[in-house]
Amino acid sequence: GQSLEQPSEVTAVEGAIVQINCTYQTSGFYGLSWYQQHDGGAPTFLSYNGLDGLEETGRFSSFLSRSDSYGYLLLQELQMKDSASYFCAVRDGDNQGGKLIFGQGTELSVKP
Amino acid sequence: DTAVSQTPKYLVTQMGNDKSIKCEQNLGHDTMYWYKQDSKKFLKIMFSYNNKELIINETVPNRFSPKSPDKAHLNLHINSLELGDSAVYFCASSPTTPGGRGGYTFGSGTRLTVV
Repeated sequence: GQSLEQPSEVTAVEGAIVQINCTYQTSGFYGLSWYQQHDGGAPTFLSYNGLDGLEETGRFSSFLSRSDSYGYLLLQELQMKDSASYFCAVRDGDNQGGKLIFGQGTELSVKP
Repeated sequence: DTAVSQTPKYLVTQMGNDKSIKCEQNLGHDTMYWYKQDSKKFLKIMFSYNNKELIINETVPNRFSPKSPDKAHLNLHINSLELGDSAVYFCASSPTTPGGRGGYTFGSGTRLTVV
C-alpha cells in the first residue's frame, strides 16, 4: 500500500524551532512536498524536495533522504500565525500521470 | 486575481439529492484535480484531468461524475447524495512539470453537508 506517516500534533512556543517528520512508503516517488492548511482554509504549497538535502525558504526549511524514505519540515522563529496543519505529500508519478498522496497531517499549536 | 476558484463554498442538502460543484483556474495549468478532505482532515484524491482528459479515477463511486469542458474548468456532479459524502471538497490545479516539482494550487473548498 501507499502510506505517509507524520505526528498527529506538535506544540511549541513562539520563537522556538520545531521539526515535523514524515516517513513514506509509496509505489513511485517523484518528490516530497509540504503544505500548510489553516482551519477553514485551503492547503497552500510550502516547499518541494526532489533530491536529497535541505531546501530553505525563509523561516521554513525542508529536508529529504530518499534512501531512508524520510523527510522533515523545519519551522524556525515560530510565530502565532504558524499554528496550522502541515501535510507532507509524495508525488507518485511523473508529469500528468502522477498524483499527490498526502499524510494525515500534523496539527501545530504555537503558544505565547 | 490569479487563483483557483470553486463554488459554492457551502452546500447543505438532503440525502438523495443531486448537486454540482464548479471549479475554474486562471493559472494556465494543464492539470486539475478533485480532492476530498474528511472530518479527520485526510486529503484523498478523487480525480485528475489533464487538458480535459481524465487521467486518474481513484475508485470513486460512479455517483460522482467529473466534467472538464476545457482545461481551465473542472466540475463535479454528485448524484443521489449520501450521508457519507459529507466532507470538504477541494479543487486544485498544477503545471505539468517533469519530476513533479510544480506545487498544487488549491481552491478554497466546498463544505458539503448531507442531512
